[in-house]
Amino acid sequence: ETGVTQTPRHLVMGMTNKKSLKCEQHLGHNAMYWYKQSAKKPLELMFVYSLEERVENNSVPSRFSPECPNSSHLFLHLHTLQPEDSALYLCASSQELPGVPPGELFFGEGSRLTVL
Amino acid sequence: GQNIDQPTEMTATEGAIVQINCTYQTSGFNGLFWYQQHAGEAPTFLSYNVLDGLEEKGRFSSFLSRSKGYSYLLLKELQMKDSASYLCAVLDSNYQLIWGAGTKLIIKP
Repeated sequence: ETGVTQTPRHLVMGMTNKKSLKCEQHLGHNAMYWYKQSAKKPLELMFVYSLEERVENNSVPSRFSPECPNSSHLFLHLHTLQPEDSALYLCASSQELPGVPPGELFFGEGSRLTVL
Repeated sequence: GQNIDQPTEMTATEGAIVQINCTYQTSGFNGLFWYQQHAGEAPTFLSYNVLDGLEEKGRFSSFLSRSKGYSYLLLKELQMKDSASYLCAVLDSNYQLIWGAGTKLIIKP
């Protein structure tokens, strides 16, 4: 148990579906992240929220839409996805301090997404 | 461009020692992380090196040479539960984490 919970753990969706991934952290952290993990590829950072404001969006297609309603919750809304979007989507959190390099990330177990 | 290289897969024997290497070419350097990820589970933090040298933590040690752009993770007295992927990541000058593709370690009895 890492203190970061992701639901659902598995999701199969068609290209025309709309679904959402949910992440909740119980660690009191002030930053949350969405990563994409594909087989044999490095983790790809998708979105970063610090203090509930999006601070980074690494040119992710608009069919992925993040939402961070508070510091404990993070969503990834999915719409009109492509088969190549099939991957493990990992949520992470960390505690960011002013003037201090980013520290350890705490990851959830991921949501395995399959797009048919 | 920025790049992290680590072997795709390694095999070792229970009770033995294994060294997983990571070389990096990044825009600046603010530290190097190692994470462990068991199949179907969350990556978990193992170590952080920002200064040259060896840091030991139980059966696991991590080494860094900034001049060579090189790190390794040393696992001693291997156990079956050490079968996992090991991810190397570097914090660059913009405090962005640059990740390697991970090394899958297979432990055989």
